[in-house]
Amino acid sequence: GESVGLHLPTLSVQEGDNSIINCAYSNSASDYFIWYKQESGKGPQFIIDIRSNMDKRQGQRVTVLLNKTVKHLSLQIAATQPGDSAVYFCAETPGNDYKLSFGAGTTVTVRA
Amino acid sequence: DGGITQSPKYLFRKEGQNVTLSCEQNLNHDAMYWYRQDPGQGLRLIYYSQIVNDFQKGDIAEGYSVSREKKESFPLTVTSAQKNPTAFYLCASSMSGRQPQHFGDGTRLSIL
Repeated sequence: GESVGLHLPTLSVQEGDNSIINCAYSNSASDYFIWYKQESGKGPQFIIDIRSNMDKRQGQRVTVLLNKTVKHLSLQIAATQPGDSAVYFCAETPGNDYKLSFGAGTTVTVRA
Repeated sequence: DGGITQSPKYLFRKEGQNVTLSCEQNLNHDAMYWYRQDPGQGLRLIYYSQIVNDFQKGDIAEGYSVSREKKESFPLTVTSAQKNPTAFYLCASSMSGRQPQHFGDGTRLSIL
């Protein structure tokens, strides 16, 4: 079946370095994508979103890149901080405006 | 502050018992959602509601029921028909489709 997934389940990053979290999707009909951050015991927190008519969008210290040709989404975090340690999820709308399909998540650990 | 409030934070269910999880939002959002999260996994959609007095099944609706009598409220009942109810339950809301969904901090349900 079609699904959203992240390439790596874990990522260890040195404090101050840039982080890149990857996500592959297989539904070519998806046209809206979101990145969430989830800390232990809490609900997911919205980071940034992107629509399929764009290939890049920037926020505060974060950039999302969308490559529709290879169905790939990435989240870049600049100057990673200890507070960035969390599980990161990508999600897509696979054709239904209201339904989000989530990947399994990447656990990011920031080393001091 | 505007946001989504889920209660209780922890809930215990006896075998054969129905339990209801509360979700209230004051963001004036039309759409509301319920997700289930199992350890180490992404979120799976149980039910969603685009507007008051209307709701649709998500991917794993069996053993669950919802109501949407007020815009602000979207309670989820975990019935005795749900044989594996132990999970972290997350409620979300959004202005409409293809908009960021904002999450509460979840209810953790366990079986006694």
